[in-house]
Amino acid sequence: DTAVSQTPKYLVTQMGNDKSIKCEQNLGHDTMYWYKQDSKKFLKIMFSYNNKELIINETVPNRFSPKSPDKAHLNLHINSLELGDSAVYFCASSQLTGSNSPLHFGNGTRLTVT
Amino acid sequence: GENVEQHPSTLSVQEGDSAVIKCTYSDSASNYFPWYKQELGKGPQLIIDIRSNVGEKKDQRIAVTLNKTAKHFSLHITETQPEDSAVYFCAASTPNTDKLIFGTGTRLQVFP
Repeated sequence: DTAVSQTPKYLVTQMGNDKSIKCEQNLGHDTMYWYKQDSKKFLKIMFSYNNKELIINETVPNRFSPKSPDKAHLNLHINSLELGDSAVYFCASSQLTGSNSPLHFGNGTRLTVT
Repeated sequence: GENVEQHPSTLSVQEGDSAVIKCTYSDSASNYFPWYKQELGKGPQLIIDIRSNVGEKKDQRIAVTLNKTAKHFSLHITETQPEDSAVYFCAASTPNTDKLIFGTGTRLQVFP
């Protein structure tokens, strides 16, 4: 009965490869997010979607492309992976759009680029 | 834009003692302040939040205080237990940009 689930949990790949991370939420929330947590634990928003529509697009390289097939799913595709992309990526959801709505996080995907 | 500073970065306490983590924010329009606990290998989990129309909120051993004038808010954990050991993040809303801005985290270690 996991609320926000993302796969895979670990992803090890080489520079230049393309990879995807999948996220699903069963909370019935309207808004979903991708956050990046670097090695110093700093959490930074990358994207947010509300009911399949892109709301927030931070200054993220265009090698990162989110896709939301429906409001319960938000996937992240990364092209031409670089060493600096190594981080933990968290999917999250909230009932409402806006910064006043509590976030529910998945357990993260640890991406290691070698 | 909003800037959230969090102190201390690490905090070690003896079991049973209290722990206090402090955050300051810069955007006077911020009106929602959640706290998240992140255990090893897991995502951040909301433990308590406060909105700008109240000055204090309690939930068992956890309390949060907010001083809007000084733009700071604090997390208080009383009677700490080893299972409280984790990284704690404060955050502040930015109504103008719809983003939640996180502090840099505090690693709390509670020693038995």
